[in-house]
Amino acid sequence: NAGVTQTPKFQVLKTGQSMTLQCAQDMNHEYMSWYRQDPGMGLRLIHYSVGAGITDQGEVPNGYNVSRSTTEDFPLRLLSAAPSQTSVYFCASSPLGLAGTEQYFGPGTRLTVT
Amino acid sequence: AQKITQTQPGMFVQEKEAVTLDCTYDTSDPSYGLFWYKQPSSGEMIFLIYQGSYDQQNATEGRYSLNFQKARKSANLVISASQLGDSAMYFCAMRDFAGNMLTFGGGTRLMVKP
Repeated sequence: NAGVTQTPKFQVLKTGQSMTLQCAQDMNHEYMSWYRQDPGMGLRLIHYSVGAGITDQGEVPNGYNVSRSTTEDFPLRLLSAAPSQTSVYFCASSPLGLAGTEQYFGPGTRLTVT
Repeated sequence: AQKITQTQPGMFVQEKEAVTLDCTYDTSDPSYGLFWYKQPSSGEMIFLIYQGSYDQQNATEGRYSLNFQKARKSANLVISASQLGDSAMYFCAMRDFAGNMLTFGGGTRLMVKP
């Protein structure tokens, strides 16, 4: 099993450009989520999904779009990149469950917006 | 809304000694899960230990134990016999009753001295 994979590992964008961060998991997990980690801080939830076709907002959703057409994939779209979106982005997945379910994290994507 | 507070931005510990990393939380959920993650300088998120809010006993995983005091809303991580490889950022996190939101604290940077 590859677990949770993210591409690209690094990305530099100019202000106003758009891009999609890719996330895939091969564990058949229903729940998937995106977080951002700013320097010296903990992770903050952007969006999450509890299954194909179902997404919802987390703590910091503005400027980001998501969709979930398959169980395996959960891409994150930046429609018009801003310097404030410079961050490390983590994708995570877990079985659908209640509070006791551990999340498995991808290796992260480091994004710089100039 | 959930909140996690880690009041120690940075800590030093001598190799082979024990160290306690503090975590307090706030939630109105009747049931929740508490997690600790380690983030080494390479950046990945590594799951360490989990405590359910209704668990009667404190969780243990090898050299890691969780000192859970529900009435005080604290979930401190204890690392016994510190090793140089324990130097990293440590994050406390809480998952809500429905399992949809994982909220992180700001983290504690632990540095192990030889």
